[in-house]
Amino acid sequence: GAGVSQSPRYKVAKRGQDVALRCDPISGHVSLFWYQQALGQGPEFLTYFQNEAQLDKSGLPSDRFFAERPEGSVSTLKIQRTQQEDSAVYLCASLAGEEEQYFGPGTRLTVT
Amino acid sequence: SQKIEQNSEALNIQEGKTATLTCNYTNYSPAYLQWYRQDPGRGPVFLLLIRENEKEKRKERLKVTFDTTLKQSLFHITASQPADSATYLCALRAAGNKLTFGGGTRVLVKP
Repeated sequence: GAGVSQSPRYKVAKRGQDVALRCDPISGHVSLFWYQQALGQGPEFLTYFQNEAQLDKSGLPSDRFFAERPEGSVSTLKIQRTQQEDSAVYLCASLAGEEEQYFGPGTRLTVT
Repeated sequence: SQKIEQNSEALNIQEGKTATLTCNYTNYSPAYLQWYRQDPGRGPVFLLLIRENEKEKRKERLKVTFDTTLKQSLFHITASQPADSATYLCALRAAGNKLTFGGGTRVLVKP
């Protein structure tokens, strides 16, 4: 697989459930980003990893959101006690150098 | 506060004409600006990057300009085709490589 992959592609959760979203970046890409995209809006930054180090988590909307990348490759975004306002598309992107980001297809989360 | 604005109204254009999209920003001094294309149900795809010391960049039928005095970038699609129909996002690089995106402009090219 040459691109960034994300799973699941779609997730429906009942309010209060915990969810885990997975991102497989392009092999060898050092930097990994998570974004949240609401319907009709541009992506909004959530958090950034360089290898396994989380260098910026300033965009995480609350302490219910947690991201990890323990071995510097696959990353998981976890949302605890989901709320309706968490419904959005969650995008992952990876970066080899300093310029263009390669995005996955996203996970569409719907909280009912 | 920092803001990036794109025209939220969809741009309807006839095939063969040039589509021009605008990206305005405030309270930024970006090192560079990027344009991405996003199709429904997919992630954004990188198109072009223009640096602060560049006035214009071209790639095939795409042209981007960057005016740091006006704090504006223009994105042109020449000889537009129905396959160009998509949402186009501009993005500025902030500290730590993270990108800040505009809201996107939807383009619909009619045959």
